[in-house]
Amino acid sequence: GENVEQHPSTLSVQEGDSAVIKCTYSDSASNYFPWYKQELGKGPQLIIDIRSNVGEKKDQRIAVTLNKTAKHFSLHITETQPEDSAVYFCAASRGDGGATNKLIFGTGTLLAVQP
Amino acid sequence: DAGVTQSPTHLIKTRGQQVTLRCSPKSGHDTVSWYQQALGQGPQFIFQYYEEEERQRGNFPDRFSGHQFPNYSSELNVNALLLGDSALYLCASSWRVVYRGPVYGYTFGSGTRLTVV
Repeated sequence: GENVEQHPSTLSVQEGDSAVIKCTYSDSASNYFPWYKQELGKGPQLIIDIRSNVGEKKDQRIAVTLNKTAKHFSLHITETQPEDSAVYFCAASRGDGGATNKLIFGTGTLLAVQP
Repeated sequence: DAGVTQSPTHLIKTRGQQVTLRCSPKSGHDTVSWYQQALGQGPQFIFQYYEEEERQRGNFPDRFSGHQFPNYSSELNVNALLLGDSALYLCASSWRVVYRGPVYGYTFGSGTRLTVV
């Protein structure tokens, strides 16, 4: 069945360090891979996404890499700041990420950035 | 521009009761999806509505039903509540048509926290 595994479940880093979160998906038909940040009491907020025709995408301090052969994708946050502390979710879906395709979420990573 | 609005924010119900949760999509969005997020877990897809019809459904029993209104707002109904239905229920809105620009994908609301006792 469709499944997304996410590691680690918790991650503590010092301010200024880098953080890496990794996900593995099972559905080979997946073509769209978004990452969401969820703060306490709020809904998930899209922070970056990547489609399967791209191996890497970067947006300021955030980058995502995709290895479609291995069915792995990762989130990289550089120069972490205390406001980066939150729960991060990876997700995968079929198609090209259009609204018609359901998202399969990972189990989340609680990132704590220590000042 | 208002984002996705969900009501109520919190709700406590007794086992066996019925509940209705409401969602107003982001302005301009025409598709509404519902997700259930248990404590410490990622959201799980319940179903999606477009043009007032259920278009896709996840692995949820028939106790979970929904509705979409002509103004694109939506309701999620859960009958015969179980303790295991306690969760954060998220509504996500989007455009039906695929856009390839930067504005893409889903916008999530802050959710309704349902507690079944």
